[in-house]
Amino acid sequence: QKEVEQNSGPLSVPEGAIASLNCTYSDRGSQSFFWYRQYSGKSPELIMFIYSNGDKEDGRFTAQLNKASQYVSLLIRDSQPSDSATYLCAVLVTGGGADGLTFGKGTHLIIQP
Amino acid sequence: DTEVTQTPKHLVMGMTNKKSLKCEQHMGHRAMYWYKQKAKKPPELMFVYSYEKLSINESVPSRFSPECPNSSLLNLHLHALQPEDSALYLCASSLNQNIQYFGAGTRLSVL
Repeated sequence: QKEVEQNSGPLSVPEGAIASLNCTYSDRGSQSFFWYRQYSGKSPELIMFIYSNGDKEDGRFTAQLNKASQYVSLLIRDSQPSDSATYLCAVLVTGGGADGLTFGKGTHLIIQP
Repeated sequence: DTEVTQTPKHLVMGMTNKKSLKCEQHMGHRAMYWYKQKAKKPPELMFVYSYEKLSINESVPSRFSPECPNSSLLNLHLHALQPEDSALYLCASSLNQNIQYFGAGTRLSVL
């Protein structure tokens, strides 16, 4: 059973601060991890992906992966009001063929001006 | 370019209608996916096509029928849907069966 857990929020963060989003997953066979941003009424947009333990940085975003703890996080530095959205954590278990993503329920992030 | 194009953007249909959703990508991706997303819920996988062959069918009712005519196109044929099938239908594609890029979705309402 593949499960991905996220705190649904809302998570309220002041503008300019660091937003920290967390995700845990149940399947130890999971190999790839993704963060998608979804604005209300729109489709998911890929923000970050990470495969290896440690940190991966891209601009204001940092993804962190700890496979031993089965934990993935996303940090957003210098948060902007435009970052207000639902952030979906997604996990891929590749069994040698194509596989679908398993999503968490998403964290609703609100950046307060 | 990571563009996945879905048509139509919106669709309203009655329970006796037959309609089709279309998805197209020209990135050379060999895996394509259909997801269903209800309001305030995460996307749920419906079907996966890999190299134009159906590789995953997540026990979706037969009133949903996928089709992959070629490596760039993916269709979802709809027939005798129920009001609870109203949702955002998302198509995605991936090059290496890993990173998936989503289209804008088709918002379906079944009356």
